[in-house]
Amino acid sequence: DTVLTQSPALAVSLGQRVTISCRASKSVSTYMHWYQQKSGQQPKLLIYSASNLESGVPSRFSGSGSGTDFTLTIDPVEADDIANYYCQQSNELPYTFGAGTKLELK
Amino acid sequence: QVKLLQSGAALVKPGASVKMSCKASGYTFTDYWVSWVKQSHGKSLEWIGEIYPNSGATNFNEKFKGKATLTVDKSTSTAYMELSRLTSEDSAIYYCTRYYGGYSDWGQGVMVTVSS
Repeated sequence: DTVLTQSPALAVSLGQRVTISCRASKSVSTYMHWYQQKSGQQPKLLIYSASNLESGVPSRFSGSGSGTDFTLTIDPVEADDIANYYCQQSNELPYTFGAGTKLELK
Repeated sequence: QVKLLQSGAALVKPGASVKMSCKASGYTFTDYWVSWVKQSHGKSLEWIGEIYPNSGATNFNEKFKGKATLTVDKSTSTAYMELSRLTSEDSAIYYCTRYYGGYSDWGQGVMVTVSS
C-alpha cells in the first residue's frame, strides 16, 4: 500500500503563510488530494489532483507537487482554517489517506 | 446540488452485523464510484472500498475483505454497506463519498457503536 506521511501538527499565527507537507512512499503522479476536517464534521475537499482548487474553496488555499512530495499552502491563515488536514492518493488501490496534520494557533 | 444522506447511528452487539445506507441525489447515481471511509475516534481516515453503481463492480481494501459488503439499489439511488462479525474495533464513524476528481461529496457519517 502507498503510505502517506504528514507532520502531526503545526502551530500558526493568523495572517501567516503555512505549508502542510505530504510525502508518499511511492510515486502517485498527481493523483493527490487534500481535505479539511473540522471537529464533528465530514471531510471537505480543498484541492484535487495536486493543484486544482475545488469549486467554492477560497483562493488562499493552493496545492503543488507531483510524484512523492506534495504541499498544501494556506496564505494567509484565517481563524476558520484551524482544523485537521488530510492528504489522500488515488493513484493505486487501496486508496490511502495520510494520518493528518492538526493546524493549531500559536 | 449533490447530496449523500446516510442512515442514522447504530448501537450493535459484538458478533452482530449492521447495514447502513447512503441515498444519493443531485447527480446521475450510476455514473460515479461511491466509496466508504472509516474514521475511528480521533483518528485518521481509512478507505474501505468502492462500488460502481452502474455495474456493481467493487474494489476493496484487503483489510476489509470479509468484513464489508457493498451493494446498490439503482432504483432508489442508494448505496449500502454491511459490516459483519462486529467487534469493538469496528466502532467508528463511517462515511460514504462520491469520487469526482477527489472525494468531492460526503455523507454526514454514521456512528456505529459496538457494545454489549
